[in-house]
Amino acid sequence: QKEVEQNSGPLSVPEGAIASLNCTYSDRGSQSFFWYRQYSGKSPELIMSIYSNGDKEDGRFTAQLNKASQYVSLLIRDSQPSDSATYLCASDLSGYSTLTFGKGTMLLVSP
Amino acid sequence: EAGVVQSPRYKIIEKKQPVAFWCNPISGHNTLYWYLQNLGQGPELLIRYENEEAVDDSQLPKDRFSAERLKGVDSTLKIQPAELGDSAVYLCASSLDSTTEAFFGQGTRLTVV
Repeated sequence: QKEVEQNSGPLSVPEGAIASLNCTYSDRGSQSFFWYRQYSGKSPELIMSIYSNGDKEDGRFTAQLNKASQYVSLLIRDSQPSDSATYLCASDLSGYSTLTFGKGTMLLVSP
Repeated sequence: EAGVVQSPRYKIIEKKQPVAFWCNPISGHNTLYWYLQNLGQGPELLIRYENEEAVDDSQLPKDRFSAERLKGVDSTLKIQPAELGDSAVYLCASSLDSTTEAFFGQGTRLTVV
């Protein structure tokens, strides 16, 4: 079964620290990977997309993709309490071509 | 540019009653998704459209759920009859195609009593 897996957390970090969120996926042929942020009671909001191996940086966010290990991560530098949310990893699993989500990791940033 | 628009935002119905949700995707987006999200879970696909064609409806409970996307733009998701277990948030998302970023609407929170 084609899956995207995440640790449900919560991941707790102090303000100013680096938060590291991880995701694995089952299909080696997957091409597109996305990170969404979801605040309680709100809909998912796209943060980053990554398509190639390596790192992609956008402000305080860095997405890392390792296709050989079937692993994608999101680093949040200088974490702020406003970053406290659930982070969803998604991929268009190869051959399925439907955006498939993990269950999400809850991040708690304490002041 | 307007985002994905869903209505209604909230709906409370009695079990066995019908309910319908509406979605207007971002202009020019060919791919449209309907997801269901339960508390503490990630979005789970119900159906994916490419233009007006339903290309993935394997997770749609077809005995009670139906969907349509006439003219490849707006879409409607219907439940008839609703069951208590259908209480959830129904999310619509759209993207240029199935490999690019998808953007979500505000969602419809359904409560079946």
